[in-house]
Amino acid sequence: ETGVTQSPTHLIKTRGQQVTLRCSSQSGHNTVSWYQQALGQGPQFIFQYYREEENGRGNFPPRFSGLQFPNYSSELNVNALELDDSALYLCASSPGLQETQYFGPGTRLLVL
Amino acid sequence: EDQVTQSPEALRLQEGESSSLNCSYTVSGLRGLFWYRQDPGKGPEFLFTLYSAGEEKEKERLKATLTKKESFLHITAPKPEDSATYLCAVQLGGGADGLTFGKGTHLIIQP
Repeated sequence: ETGVTQSPTHLIKTRGQQVTLRCSSQSGHNTVSWYQQALGQGPQFIFQYYREEENGRGNFPPRFSGLQFPNYSSELNVNALELDDSALYLCASSPGLQETQYFGPGTRLLVL
Repeated sequence: EDQVTQSPEALRLQEGESSSLNCSYTVSGLRGLFWYRQDPGKGPEFLFTLYSAGEEKEKERLKATLTKKESFLHITAPKPEDSATYLCAVQLGGGADGLTFGKGTHLIIQP
């Protein structure tokens, strides 16, 4: 059984650019959540998608947006990148709402 | 505001020296408490879910317990491969499913 995968593994962007991160959920999982983890901190919840609809959002500005596709894979888009957006971005999938979340390896984003 | 606090921030133990990590939380309507292990530069690896006070779960050298205000992760006779950051997270009932994480405990086991 394939676990959660994310691409790319690493990314370097400059301030003001836009970035798209991708996530493939674990087989049989219909819920995807995205988190941002700064160095030395715990992950912070960005938003969650359930069956292609946004199902909740953390304290992140609208320039953080997402999509979930019919196969339950997901994208995280960040517009107008800022230096503070440099972090490890984690995707987690679960078999349904209020179920245990399983994390992917993350995408390391560096904004210069 | 919902909060999760983990202590200590860092812990260095000798191989075989047992200890406990603490996770205290101030939330209303807790649905579940989760423990994850995270190695440097990698995603968190799921360890345990606890749902109600008094519940205990074990896996190899790890045992997690839950009370109404805190959870403990007990590590018995640890080995160097247990070195990692251990993260605690809470999930609230109803509404958004996002997990609220603590900052983690960085555990080092010296041979």
